[in-house]
Amino acid sequence: QVQLQQWGAGLLKPSETLSLTCAVYGGSFSGYYWSWIRQPPGKGLEWIGEINYSGSTNYNPSLKSRVTISIDTSKNHFSLKLSSVTAADTAVYYCARSSRQRAYYYMDVWGKGTTVTVSS
Amino acid sequence: DIQMTQSPSSLSASVGDRVTITCRASQSISSYLNWYQQKPGKAPKLLIYAASSLQSGVPSRFSGSGSGTEFTLTISSLQPEDFATYYCQQSYSTSYTFGQGTKLEVK
Repeated sequence: QVQLQQWGAGLLKPSETLSLTCAVYGGSFSGYYWSWIRQPPGKGLEWIGEINYSGSTNYNPSLKSRVTISIDTSKNHFSLKLSSVTAADTAVYYCARSSRQRAYYYMDVWGKGTTVTVSS
Repeated sequence: DIQMTQSPSSLSASVGDRVTITCRASQSISSYLNWYQQKPGKAPKLLIYAASSLQSGVPSRFSGSGSGTEFTLTISSLQPEDFATYYCQQSYSTSYTFGQGTKLEVK
C-alpha cells in the first residue's frame, strides 16, 4: 500500500521561499509522475506541477516563474519550492501520485496535506 | 489553460436520491476527465478516471459518463458517507485544471 508522507514549514513571511518534501513509502517510485496541488482556505484545488523519476517536470503556467519541483531517487522523495510567497499562497498543499492507464493520467494516491500560512 | 466548469455549485439531496453533477470543458478533452471526492479536512479521493472507469475500491453506485466537452458524475443511491464536495479534473493538457467543485449537502 503506497503512502505519501509530507512535511515542511507551516508559517512563512512574505517574500520567503516555501519548501515542502513528500516521501513515498511502500511502493515503486519509478514509472509515475509525482505532483503538488494546493487548496486555499475555503476554495478549490489548483495543480502546481509534477516531476517524474527521470526529473522531467511540468508546471502550471501561472506559477511557473516561482516554482521548482525536484526529486531525490535515492531517498524516494520529491520536493516543492515556491519563491517570493505572498498571502495569496496561503493554502493546504498536497502531494500526490499520478498514475497512468493507456494514455490517461489520474492522481490516485494523496498525502494528507500541509497547511502553509503566509503572514507578516 | 482548459477551463472546467461544474454545475451546480451546490446541491441538496436526501439519502437514497439519485444525483447527477455536470462538468463542462472549455474545449474538447476526449475522455481525459477524472472525478474526485473530498471531505472536510481530508485529501481528495479518486473516484472515476478516463471519464467512466471506476477506481478500485470505489462503490459501484458511482458512475461517470461523457466525452468531448460534457461529462457527468452520477451517484445512483446516495449514502450518508457521500455528502462531500466533488471535483472534476482534466488530464488532456499537461497543465491540469480542476472544476470549482460541487458541494453535496443533506436536504
